[in-house]
Amino acid sequence: AQSVTQLDSQVPVFEEAPVELRCNYSSSVSVYLFWYVQYPNQGLQLLLKYLSGSTLVESINGFEAEFNKSQTSFHLRKPSVHISDTAEYFCAVIQGGSEKLVFGKGTKLTVNP
Amino acid sequence: EPEVTQTPSHQVTQMGQEVILRCVPISNHLYFYWYRQILGQKVEFLVSFYNNEISEKSEIFDDQFSVERPDGSNFTLKIRSTKLEDSAMYFCASRVKQGSTEAFFGQGTRLTVV
Repeated sequence: AQSVTQLDSQVPVFEEAPVELRCNYSSSVSVYLFWYVQYPNQGLQLLLKYLSGSTLVESINGFEAEFNKSQTSFHLRKPSVHISDTAEYFCAVIQGGSEKLVFGKGTKLTVNP
Repeated sequence: EPEVTQTPSHQVTQMGQEVILRCVPISNHLYFYWYRQILGQKVEFLVSFYNNEISEKSEIFDDQFSVERPDGSNFTLKIRSTKLEDSAMYFCASRVKQGSTEAFFGQGTRLTVV
């Protein structure tokens, strides 16, 4: 069965520092990859997704993630974080032919001034 | 911007009682989902629903659970005879079509069973 691992449960960083949130998944056979963000007291919002094509995908607020098939990874990066990026970030996978998103446990990003 | 709405935001119920969690998916979406997140654990898939029937369900989704789309706009999750371990945040989601398009999530209903 497909599984998703987010090794870091909490990541504290200072404002304007770079950050990488790690995500690994168990199978690279026909997968779609997603990062969702959950701000305090809100629902899950799609941040970015990899479906096919270019392995580097970007969001409108400066995050990017790279699909690495050989390492079965989809790490999320931002070169310079803002306090407003404080949230919980979830990596998720859909395996081809399935309906369901399989989520990682989430990483709480805290950006300090 | 269209969004998935869930009511109530927080529900407290006594063990053994039935609860109905309500969701209004985005109006032109065809696929509907329920997920749950027990405190401190992963977001887990419960069930998907398409064309008025369940299309996929997890092992969590046993006879205690049922889903319904009673009137073409609402999508409900019923939990019969709630247990303490049903306490969790329940998320509804909807999608235009199967496969690669985005699933839009509601803000969740926090269910507390006492």
